[in-house]
Amino acid sequence: EAQVTQNPRYLITVTGKKLTVTCSQNMNHEYMSWYRQDPGLGLRQIYYSMNVEVTDKGDVPEGYKVSRKEKRNFPLILESPSPNQTSLYFCASSQIGSYNEQFFGPGTRLTVL
Amino acid sequence: GIQVEQSPPDLILQEGANSTLRCNFSDSVNNLQWFHQNPWGQLINLFYIPSGTKQNGRLSATTVATERYSLLYISSSQTTDSGVYFCAVDMGRLYFGRGTQLTVWP
Repeated sequence: EAQVTQNPRYLITVTGKKLTVTCSQNMNHEYMSWYRQDPGLGLRQIYYSMNVEVTDKGDVPEGYKVSRKEKRNFPLILESPSPNQTSLYFCASSQIGSYNEQFFGPGTRLTVL
Repeated sequence: GIQVEQSPPDLILQEGANSTLRCNFSDSVNNLQWFHQNPWGQLINLFYIPSGTKQNGRLSATTVATERYSLLYISSSQTTDSGVYFCAVDMGRLYFGRGTQLTVWP
């Protein structure tokens, strides 16, 4: 089954404790991205990647890192989480190009105390 | 940057009613997608519709790219239609509207 998977689905952590949210897709998509969703703000892009070893900032990259060492994986790293990073996070992937549908993972609900 | 506005922000319906959700955008776009976010937070692709009209069961969508809007129609609504509906436009990457919160009562 074609899908985007994320782990963990739920995470409660404390300020300053490094964490990684994994994202993996099995559709051989070149493009992958991370979004965060906050009440009343919709989804905002954090980082995106056009291919292996190619990443770039989205609208809200502060406090986050990403890497793309393999085509299928695009982990999101929070080196020193803070409470304002409490949010619902989504990973997405698609083919490159102007007319390609994006597919979203199930979401990761993160709480930073 | 591009502005994506959805209306109405909230909609409350009784089961069986029809509804229309609107998405306006401020610039020409490559494509447009509609999503349903269910009460568990999952984003479900409804339509990928850069232009024209598509139908899937009780749902249909129309995008008029030249006039910069898209409409999502829900007919004979059911309680399972409840959730937030987002439109997102592609300008090289997706820009989301703030969503329409739909509540369908039995």
